[in-house]
Amino acid sequence: QKEVEQDPGPLSVPEGAIVSLNCTYSNSAFQYFMWYRQYSRKGPELLMYTYSSGNKEDGRFTAQVDKSSKYISLFIRDSQPSDSATYLCAMRLPNAGGTSYGKLTFGQGTILTVHP
Amino acid sequence: DVKVTQSSRYLVKRTGEKVFLECVQDMDHENMFWYRQDPGLGLRLIYFSYDVKMKEKGDIPEGYSVSREKKERFSLILESASTNQTSMYLCASSPQGFYNSPLHFGNGTRLTVT
Repeated sequence: QKEVEQDPGPLSVPEGAIVSLNCTYSNSAFQYFMWYRQYSRKGPELLMYTYSSGNKEDGRFTAQVDKSSKYISLFIRDSQPSDSATYLCAMRLPNAGGTSYGKLTFGQGTILTVHP
Repeated sequence: DVKVTQSSRYLVKRTGEKVFLECVQDMDHENMFWYRQDPGLGLRLIYFSYDVKMKEKGDIPEGYSVSREKKERFSLILESASTNQTSMYLCASSPQGFYNSPLHFGNGTRLTVT
């Protein structure tokens, strides 16, 4: 079983739709949760970062973490064609002291297409 | 603005060749990482380094080695390339000491081994 499972998609939605992207994880020690966005032919870039359970909002984007269910989500409101990209969830353990620090575990990625 | 530069965008090599993938970052970051990205598998960590000359195996180190002689440069080496190493390779860097510090990625090297 993979440590992080992400809904594979692909997802195709009309402009203006609400998009929900989801990941589940098996390691309850994960404490830091991130969403990266990757445009075609580019490297991933950090979109949202959350710590522990709860919601975090940034413009049209909301990141949600439910640690009891080991489930995280990214919601995109009023989706735009410019949101078309691959979205990757990622998780990080607390600092174990030394070499594991900074290491992220990624989900498989979901390809999102928003058509006009 | 952080810049992570990977030396080649596309690379085609033959089976058995020794392959070097180079990565340079310009933000004095302590941590550097090599990932490979494959459809349906996401990003998988090959190796990472948290200091010059220091390295740690990631989740899939077999068939790879790394070198970090200078802080800004992290090289991935395929000792004897095989077709199952055909993939997109992504280098990343991050500063040490901050839980919410993001990884800064390069734009990737697409390697094809024939």
